[in-house]
Amino acid sequence: KNQVEQSPQSLIILEGKNCTLQCNYTVSPFSNLRWYKQDTGRGPVSLTIMTFSENTKSNGRYTATLDADTKQSSLHITASQLSDSASYICVVSERYSSASKIIFGSGTRLSIRP
Amino acid sequence: EAGVAQSPRYKIIEKRQSVAFWCNPISGHATLYWYQQILGQGPKLLIQFQNNGVVDDSQLPKDRFSAERLKGVDSTLKIQPAKLEDSAVYLCASSLNPRGGASWTYNEQFFGPGTRLTVL
Repeated sequence: KNQVEQSPQSLIILEGKNCTLQCNYTVSPFSNLRWYKQDTGRGPVSLTIMTFSENTKSNGRYTATLDADTKQSSLHITASQLSDSASYICVVSERYSSASKIIFGSGTRLSIRP
Repeated sequence: EAGVAQSPRYKIIEKRQSVAFWCNPISGHATLYWYQQILGQGPKLLIQFQNNGVVDDSQLPKDRFSAERLKGVDSTLKIQPAKLEDSAVYLCASSLNPRGGASWTYNEQFFGPGTRLTVL
């Protein structure tokens, strides 16, 4: 069964600190992996996307890594800001087929404290 | 470029009542998705349209939920009758084309702000 598991479920850090969120998946065949940021009361917004051939992708203070062999991804946030408080969702897509699936993780709730 | 529009933003109803949500995707996006997101969980796909045809509705509770996208543009999702466990945020998303495109980037989904439904 294709699954996406994220850890931790929630995280609290002080403003200015770094943090790393984890995503493990069992989706096969693999197409791509996205990290979304979801602010409270809003829809998810894409941060990064990676295919199997990409190991790392950066978007400002956000850096995502992907290890397609171990089926693990991480999202590293540098010098956190109060506006980083949100849920971060890992989403994995199957390689295109007649019935491709997009599988969402449950998300990590990140809170930044001043 | 205008984003995905949804209305209403909030809805409170009593159980056994009916409710409808509306979504207008980004212009030119062939694929439209409806998701249910229960508090503290990731979005769960309810139904996926490719133009005006249904691609995947395997997780749609068809005894009470229905959705349509008659002209291949905007879409409505209806719940009739609502149950307490239907309380959630209903997200609409659209993408250019998840299949058949030249690039996997076509399956990037753009989400609307969601409709928060409370069933009392």
